[in-house]
Amino acid sequence: DAGVTQSPTHLIKTRGQQVTLRCSPKSGHDTVSWYQQALGQGPQFIFQYYEEEERQRGNFPDRFSGHQFPNYSSELNVNALLLGDSALYLCASSGTSGRGTDTQYFGPGTRLTVL
Amino acid sequence: QKEVEQDPGPLSVPEGAIVSLNCTYSNSAFQYFMWYRQYSRKGPELLMYTYSSGNKEDGRFTAQVDKSSKYISLFIRDSQPSDSATYLCAMSAYNDYKLSFGAGTTVTVRA
Repeated sequence: DAGVTQSPTHLIKTRGQQVTLRCSPKSGHDTVSWYQQALGQGPQFIFQYYEEEERQRGNFPDRFSGHQFPNYSSELNVNALLLGDSALYLCASSGTSGRGTDTQYFGPGTRLTVL
Repeated sequence: QKEVEQDPGPLSVPEGAIVSLNCTYSNSAFQYFMWYRQYSRKGPELLMYTYSSGNKEDGRFTAQVDKSSKYISLFIRDSQPSDSATYLCAMSAYNDYKLSFGAGTTVTVRA
């Protein structure tokens, strides 16, 4: 049973560029959440997608956007990259409710470096 | 003040010792409490999941929740070098979809 997968593993971009990160949820899960983890910090919630809609959003600017596809996979897009966007980006999948009652399983993350 | 506070350590213990980790929180709506383990450059892995106050034991791991004090703990008995990792506490409210994390505590178990 494949767990949560993310691609790419590493990415290096320059300031002002745009980036797209990808996530495939664990088998049987239909809800995808994205988190940003800066070095030495805990993950910070970006947003959650369910039924191809953004269901909840954290305190992140509009430069961060996402999409969920009919097969439940998801993309995170970040425009106009800043040095401060350098972080580990984590995708988590969960069951339908997506609430605290459901366990969120994390992928290995994509490490983004902005130069 | 952060919603979830966790001492970042680092914590270094000899093999076989008991590791004690804790988090405090300010949001009284939190009802679901989790501990994740994160190895260097990897994603968080769920260790323990508890609901409301009380204790939960799973092998060498014991999670405690005290909602009246807004305090949660994780104990690791008979610690092994393979337990060396960063431990993250996380919590959520019933009608919330996000997890709120502590900063993580880095633990090293010396052989």
